[in-house]
Amino acid sequence: DTAVSQTPKYLVTQMGNDKSIKCEQNLGHDTMYWYKQDSKKFLKIMFSYNNKELIINETVPNRFSPKSPDKAHLNLHINSLELGDSAVYFCASSFRGGSPLHFGNGTRLTVT
Amino acid sequence: GIQVEQSPPDLILQEGANSTLRCNFSDSVNNLQWFHQNPWGQLINLFYIPSGTKQNGRLSATTVATERYSLLYISSSQTTDSGVYFCAVDPNTDKLIFGTGTRLQVFP
Repeated sequence: DTAVSQTPKYLVTQMGNDKSIKCEQNLGHDTMYWYKQDSKKFLKIMFSYNNKELIINETVPNRFSPKSPDKAHLNLHINSLELGDSAVYFCASSFRGGSPLHFGNGTRLTVT
Repeated sequence: GIQVEQSPPDLILQEGANSTLRCNFSDSVNNLQWFHQNPWGQLINLFYIPSGTKQNGRLSATTVATERYSLLYISSSQTTDSGVYFCAVDPNTDKLIFGTGTRLQVFP
């Protein structure tokens, strides 16, 4: 299946821990993104990478560090997790310059 | 920054009814997309429509870029159409800015 896949689907952890979310796309896209959806369903872009190069960093705390080993993968590492980090994190991909954006199924992060 | 407003915020329909969702944006854009988030949380791309009209089955969309709005039409609604519909625009910044969504509930 051609898709954007992210793991894990659910992540429950305690404050202060470090966690990672992985994302992979096999659509041949050159640009990948991380979006955060809060409890009110508002979707906001966090980062985007084009061919492994960071092109957008939306004033996200530096506890969040994206890494793109190649253009098909974009991972998100979060240090020192806080209660306010609880949200659903979506990975997405597209071609740069305007094309349909395809989302993964999301990772629901709960920090206790 | 650009403002993206969607209306109505909530919509309740009986199966078979038609509806129109609206997206207004405050600046010129080079990219506009509509998404459906189903009750399981999946985000599905419905239309990539920076201008003009497109149709896909019971859904169609029209964007009038010069007047800064887009419309999503749902005809003969079904319970599976329930969820949240998002409009997202790119004001030539390489990133999609999402509206606050329209929550649709379709009852049998």
